[in-house]
Amino acid sequence: GQNIDQPTEMTATEGAIVQINCTYQTSGFNGLFWYQQHAGEAPTFLSYNVLDGLEEKGRFSSFLSRSKGYSYLLLKELQMKDSASYLCAVRVRQAGTALIFGKGTTLSVSS
Amino acid sequence: GAGVSQSPSNKVTEKGKDVELRCDPISGHTALYWYRQSLGQGLEFLIYFQGNSAPDKSGLPSDRFSAERTGGSVSTLTIQRTQQEDSAVYLCASSWEGLAESYNEQFFGPGTRLTVL
Repeated sequence: GQNIDQPTEMTATEGAIVQINCTYQTSGFNGLFWYQQHAGEAPTFLSYNVLDGLEEKGRFSSFLSRSKGYSYLLLKELQMKDSASYLCAVRVRQAGTALIFGKGTTLSVSS
Repeated sequence: GAGVSQSPSNKVTEKGKDVELRCDPISGHTALYWYRQSLGQGLEFLIYFQGNSAPDKSGLPSDRFSAERTGGSVSTLTIQRTQQEDSAVYLCASSWEGLAESYNEQFFGPGTRLTVL
């Protein structure tokens, strides 16, 4: 079966750096996505990795190791507005382009 | 508007009634997805439409759930004889499907919060 694990909750302070890990066991891996979801709102796309390595986009970076079934999302210079749920999702070939989501990590940023 | 829209935003119904949820995808997007998000759970894939191909219904939890996509655009998710465990936020997403191995970012709508009493 398909399984995606990520921590349920994390806390951090403004200005800090936080790393949110995601491990997956899937067959037919075809890309990994990170989405941000504020409470009561729709998920919004953050990043996409299909090859090993680091993708950087402003304050956010995402890393992928396909051999380890592992990804992380790195958030730098944290701001209060970064308090949200962060969803790790995997695309597998058998599912076309539909995504399999983890349960999400709720990040709380305090001053 | 430019984004994915869904209606209604909230729906309260009684157990055993049928409900219809609507999704208007981004114009030009060929793929449309339905997910649901229950409290404390991740997004669960329900069904996926791509162009004129037969939909992928592999995520539908029971035969009480069905979906249509008319004219390659608007989609309706129907839940018959609703049960309390159907209470969740139902999210619709759309994407442009170009090359088979391409990026295919999914854009999500705001969701419909369904409460079955």
